[in-house]
Amino acid sequence: QTVVTQEPSFSVSPGGTVTLTCGLTSGSVSTSHYPSWYHQTPGQSPRTLIYNTNTRSSGVPDRFSGSILGNKAALTITGAQADDESDFYCALYVSTGLWVFGGGTKLTVL
Amino acid sequence: QVQLVESGGGVVPPGGSLRLSCEVSGVTLNRISMHWVRQAPGRGLEWVTIIASDGSRIYYADSVKGRFTMSRDKSKNAVYLQMSSLRAEDTAVYFCAGDSGDYKFDHWGQGILVTVSS
Repeated sequence: QTVVTQEPSFSVSPGGTVTLTCGLTSGSVSTSHYPSWYHQTPGQSPRTLIYNTNTRSSGVPDRFSGSILGNKAALTITGAQADDESDFYCALYVSTGLWVFGGGTKLTVL
Repeated sequence: QVQLVESGGGVVPPGGSLRLSCEVSGVTLNRISMHWVRQAPGRGLEWVTIIASDGSRIYYADSVKGRFTMSRDKSKNAVYLQMSSLRAEDTAVYFCAGDSGDYKFDHWGQGILVTVSS
């Protein structure tokens, strides 16, 4: 069974930069997994940030960027703001028709 | 603007069945793949199933294979999730989500709660 890994929690100072990662317990993440990133605040539906590794969804500020770093997908937030505090999830297309979400990263801005 | 509205949630005993609906507006189903994604209380997102935009291919997560069935009705522009042999661990908010291309979940419904409990 494919398991997608994310840091359970991360903390960043206001105005700071943070990189969240998305990996596989077996193997490397590549662009062929079409990594995408979502954030979710309590009680709300997820919102798409990044898709196809590094394409920002409509209306997403350029403070958010996606990439492949080493063997993982990465989401970098520059100039962190208080309202960035939320849960961040990555999703990977792991085989034909099958998707897996990571366990999520709870980001604290303080 | 694409909008997704789920309905049909509620409380069901273990072993029971329930059907969720997701009404789609702003796009026709032959132009969008549709997923169901769930989130157990206090937990992360779990992908459940997808129906491709041509309707010919449906895939399931191992955790629901053989128990859940996804379908669609083009005349109503809606998708459905028939859930049977429900277990306590199926308790979650169920979201329908749309992918209009590029392998992403770019449209989300508001979610509907399913509680499996006696």
